[in-house]
Amino acid sequence: SQQGEEDPQALSIQEGENATMNCSYKTSINNLQWYRQNSGRGLVHLILIRSNEREKHSGRLRVTLDTSKKSSSLLITASRAADTASYFCATDTGANSKLTFGKGITLSVRP
Amino acid sequence: DAEITQSPRHKITETGRQVTLACHQTWNHNNMFWYRQDLGHGLRLIHYSYGVQDTNKGEVSDGYSVSRSNTEDLPLTLESAASSQTSVYFCASSEVLAGAREQFFGPGTRLTVL
Repeated sequence: SQQGEEDPQALSIQEGENATMNCSYKTSINNLQWYRQNSGRGLVHLILIRSNEREKHSGRLRVTLDTSKKSSSLLITASRAADTASYFCATDTGANSKLTFGKGITLSVRP
Repeated sequence: DAEITQSPRHKITETGRQVTLACHQTWNHNNMFWYRQDLGHGLRLIHYSYGVQDTNKGEVSDGYSVSRSNTEDLPLTLESAASSQTSVYFCASSEVLAGAREQFFGPGTRLTVL
């Protein structure tokens, strides 16, 4: 079964708006990672947040982690058409380098 | 630049045939993984390896096998292809860093079993 579950399943916004995506998970984690997948391509790592961190920034990306609620959010500010992609959260429970991926969120950014 | 490649990118085969998908990485990573991606299921782990001669079963390993004879390659074999194995297959690799294990993905292989 999936460790991470993203919400919403699909999101459509206008260019320039912010996009917020959520991920919930079930068991304790070592870190949580977000990946992006453009259509027909492999996944690309975006950002990693460790279990002892609450917030992390990378360019237009902001990730938060609430271990008490077992949830994370990914915020993309000032979205661009090029941000159109699927986004996945993945949890690392520290069990032998394996990641468990959610089903993904499809983000569409309208020009 | 280091990279991870997969071949072929597209494959059509028939039920019952043996199929091997190649994965090659030049990152010199010890860890390598095979996933399948299907609508409604996200990515599911098939097999993984922590180094030469090491292989482990993942969540959906039935009907698949891997072997690791060197650091760079982890070929995935479908022993007797079934229609249920029609999917997009991704290979990934990672190095173990203290508290962080980012994975690098290949471009994927789209496999159709008729």
